[in-house]
Amino acid sequence: EVQLVESGGGLVQPGGSLRLSCEASGFTFSSYWMNWVRQAPGKGLEWVANMREDGGEQYYAHSVKGRFTISRDNAKNSLYLQMNSLRGEDTAVYYCARYIMGSSGNYFDSWGQGTLVTVSS
Amino acid sequence: EIVLTQSPATLSLSPGERATLSCRASQSISSSLAWYQQKPGQAPRLLIYGASNRATGIPARFSGSGSETDFTLTISSLEPEDFAVYYCQHRSKFGQGTKVEIK
Repeated sequence: EVQLVESGGGLVQPGGSLRLSCEASGFTFSSYWMNWVRQAPGKGLEWVANMREDGGEQYYAHSVKGRFTISRDNAKNSLYLQMNSLRGEDTAVYYCARYIMGSSGNYFDSWGQGTLVTVSS
Repeated sequence: EIVLTQSPATLSLSPGERATLSCRASQSISSSLAWYQQKPGQAPRLLIYGASNRATGIPARFSGSGSETDFTLTISSLEPEDFAVYYCQHRSKFGQGTKVEIK
């Protein structure tokens, strides 16, 4: 069974930093693109960043580019999101999600339970 | 940049009724569209991928159709557990969601 477990969320002041982790199990982690998707309170889903299977490519949403860094450690089956210069609008539940890229399109087939990040003074 | 527009924003229906949700893309995306269900306090769950393929374990009352710019998610007969928010997705873009609520 695919499992994704996020951790590292919490309360942080504006301008501060936080590092999120996502531990994967039940599948060959090194064979999949992985993503971070967030959801502000009462709002919709917003893609944040993704990374190729071997870590060789990564992409970011405009809203976080230059402030957030995605990384992975395939030996530890883990995905990370380093978040710097945090702003109030970064307050959200952050989900780790596995990404399928295939002939039927690209989609997120498995999600973690999410970790809440609150940016406030 | 592709924009996905979902309608209606809210759908008020009774259990047993048919639900029809729409997702329109600002340009052609072939059949590369997925649908997700999200209940309060839970992560999204994949329902449909490739516009019309049900994900593993998804009941047959959920069906997807469409191509190019116009897509539909149909729930043939609403069960109590189907009242939730539904999102469409193409690559890194999500629609704004449709809430299916109990009438």
